[in-house]
Amino acid sequence: EPEVTQTPSHQVTQMGQEVILRCVPISNHLYFYWYRQILGQKVEFLVSFYNNEISEKSEIFDDQFSVERPDGSNFTLKIRSTKLEDSAMYFCASSDRGAGNTIYFGEGSWLTVV
Amino acid sequence: AQTVTQSQPEMSVQEAETVTLSCTYDTSENNYYLFWYKQPPSRQMILVIRQEAYKQQNATENRFSVNFQKAAKSFSLKISDSQLGDTAMYFCASRGYTGTASKLTFGTGTRLQVTL
Repeated sequence: EPEVTQTPSHQVTQMGQEVILRCVPISNHLYFYWYRQILGQKVEFLVSFYNNEISEKSEIFDDQFSVERPDGSNFTLKIRSTKLEDSAMYFCASSDRGAGNTIYFGEGSWLTVV
Repeated sequence: AQTVTQSQPEMSVQEAETVTLSCTYDTSENNYYLFWYKQPPSRQMILVIRQEAYKQQNATENRFSVNFQKAAKSFSLKISDSQLGDTAMYFCASRGYTGTASKLTFGTGTRLQVTL
């Protein structure tokens, strides 16, 4: 069964450093997402991406964050100048169509900022 | 805007028994979809079941079924014949129909422990 894959599974970074989290969505999917889950809290939407541009973003997704689809398969989340409070599990997700269709999640990238 | 509420932070059930997890939601949209996701200790988000709001029939997936009460905006998950592998965090989520990539809105989750 096709799946969303994410790398790295776990990354430790120093405060102030830049981090890039990588994702390979399911191959025929057109809609891509990043979600975040701080330990012990609920899953929060960060950004959605379609047709090579951001469709929607939350208030969390400020200038510190950016997304990119550099080629036909990868979808990346860049976090600049990381802060302690950026420590969280970051989930990439994709769906084949927009409204209503199931969103499939990757296994997550656990980011620890020290 | 959509909100999802799960009022049971933790629940416990004995193996082979049945348990129901509650979820209520609020949305201004006419068409929407509802989901239950499971998050085991590995923290992966796994789709359990989905319900299309315009369908009156409750969705069923093997041991998992939902009780969808549209007027009451209630969407509970029933797990029958509970297994130890069902131990996980369960998140209820909703997704609107408008827009090209409408986002999922999650509840705060219910931690389910299945015991021997």
